[in-house]
Amino acid sequence: EPEVTQTPSHQVTQMGQEVILRCVPISNHLYFYWYRQILGQKVEFLVSFYNNEISEKSEIFDDQFSVERPDGSNFTLKIRSTKLEDSAMYFCASSPLGQGSTDTQYFGPGTRLTVL
Amino acid sequence: AQSVTQLGSHVSVSEGALVLLRCNYSSSVPPYLFWYVQYPNQGLQLLLKYTSAATLVKGINGFEAEFKKSETSFHLTKPSAHMSDAAEYFCAVRRETSGSRLTFGEGTQLTVNP
Repeated sequence: EPEVTQTPSHQVTQMGQEVILRCVPISNHLYFYWYRQILGQKVEFLVSFYNNEISEKSEIFDDQFSVERPDGSNFTLKIRSTKLEDSAMYFCASSPLGQGSTDTQYFGPGTRLTVL
Repeated sequence: AQSVTQLGSHVSVSEGALVLLRCNYSSSVPPYLFWYVQYPNQGLQLLLKYTSAATLVKGINGFEAEFKKSETSFHLTKPSAHMSDAAEYFCAVRRETSGSRLTFGEGTQLTVNP
């Protein structure tokens, strides 16, 4: 069964450093998403991406964040200058371009980002 | 704005007992509702979804949920808990529009005791 994959599974970085989290969505899906889950808190939406542009973003997704689809398979989340509060599990998801009921988001296993 | 509230951050049941995880939603338009499960050190897996076709929805692993508009609820149930059901369960809501964000509840940690 096709699945969303993410690399790395765990990333440790120093505060102020740039990180890039990578995702390979399901191949025939056209919508891509990033969510994050700070330890002990709920899963929060960051951004959605369709047709090579951001379609929706949350208030969390400020200028420090960017997303890109550099080729036909990868979808990346870049954090330019990491802060301690960026430590979280980051989930990538994808969904097909379906109307209503068929638009289900499938999640990857996550990347745990630790900022020291 | 849409939101969901999960009543009870921790639920503990005995193996073989009924599982009931509560979710109430707030939405100004007919919502699409989802239950996801997260096993330790894993991602989110879709259990089931409500998309206005039928109010009683059956999902994987013997789980089901009933959409009750009058109570604005979408509670998750399973008649007989298994040890392997121990996980965190998230209720989520989104608009009908394709590509819309999911808004998650706080999550309920289910413990199954032998």
